[in-house]
Order: sequence, then C-alpha cells, then structure tokens
Amino acid sequence: SQQGEEDPQALSIQEGENATMNCSYKTSINNLQWYRQNSGRGLVHLILIRSNEREKHSGRLRVTLDTSKKSSSLLITASRAADTASYFCFSGGYNKLIFGAGTRLAVHP
Amino acid sequence: GAVVSQHPSWVICKSGTSVKIECRSLDFQATTMFWYRQFPKQSLMLMATSNEGSKATYEQGVEKDKFLINHASLTLSTLTVTSAHPEDSSFYICSASSFMKSARGSTDTQYFGPGTRLTVL
Repeated sequence: SQQGEEDPQALSIQEGENATMNCSYKTSINNLQWYRQNSGRGLVHLILIRSNEREKHSGRLRVTLDTSKKSSSLLITASRAADTASYFCFSGGYNKLIFGAGTRLAVHP
Repeated sequence: GAVVSQHPSWVICKSGTSVKIECRSLDFQATTMFWYRQFPKQSLMLMATSNEGSKATYEQGVEKDKFLINHASLTLSTLTVTSAHPEDSSFYICSASSFMKSARGSTDTQYFGPGTRLTVL
C-alpha cells in the first residue's frame, strides 16, 4: 500500500505563480520528506519536517504538516521554469519509505 | 550534503546477460541502502532494503534470485540483474540512509543516487 499520496497528480502554472502540492499518508510518521525528480534523473532531497513541527521554510519552499489530518503541503513561491519536475513526499521513520505517484509540476515561461 | 553515486549511469545489454549496478555513499557510512526501480512516468517502487553484513529484505513480488543484492560495506551496495530480459529495462535508483540521533531528535534522511538506466535488447 502507498504511504504517501500526492495531489494533484499534475499541475501547470506560469512562471512567478505559486505552486501548492499536497500529500497524505496513512500511518504514524517520524518525519515527512519532500523530494523532487527531474525527468529521468535521480531524486533530490528538498526538505524534511519532523512530526513535532508544523511548518518549515527553506528558500522559496514552505512545508506544512498536520499530523491530525495526516497530511502535508509543499508550497513553491515565485515559481521558475527550472522548478519543472516531479515532486514526491514520503514518510521517514525507522523503516522503508514508500513513494506516492508524485505531482508533476510544469512551469511555463 | 551527503553524496551517493551510482555506476554505471546507463547500460545497454543483450538479453540473457547479467548486469551489476553499484551504489556508493561517498562521504558517509550508510547503515541501510535501498534499491528502487522506476518505469517511465511512474513512481519509484521499492525493490529491496539492504543492511550492511546481512541479507537483503525483498519486497513482495521481487525475485531475490533475479535481483541479487550485496551490501559488502557501509559505503557500497551492488544490485545484479541476472539473466536480464527486455522487461527488466527500467531506471534503477539506490538510496543510502544513515540513522542519526541528535538533541533535536532522530532523522534518517535518504540520499539518492542519480540512477542507472538499464536497457535490455
């Protein structure tokens, strides 16, 4: 079963706009992590938020975590064409990580 | 940040041959390494989890005799696709994790390799 499930599955926006992606998970987590993947390439770790944190910022990224709803959101502000990629969330803990299908973000110049 | 490398980046081979893919953590010791495969426009699927010095744990549906995993040291894990067939063509990604404890709590961020694209003719 999938632990992290992102929505929307695909998102298309213009440069400069904000992009919001959501993630839901099923079981208790130790932390939740967001990664990005450019087409056909490896994953890049973006940000980690611990289960006792509610919000975290890193540059143009803002992540929120609501453990009562078992959900997280990733906001990318002032998007750029270079942000075009797939974004995945998954839970971190003492065991394996399960990926959701990801959100494919396309940022048009 | 921690760096994980994979070798080779891509490989094309004939059906029936075996292919070995290496995953190395370059600047940290990885207590656990994971192997994933990814088909085009799909998510990563976990194949197996390996801990240094012990046998790998395979996910349901993954043939352990087909995908041999060796985690010989804290910095190296290898995946061997034995008797590869065209349906094994995929993007294989490894990740390395080092469980760390600090005053702020524990983390086990996974660091991913760049992936290896396998094409079996």
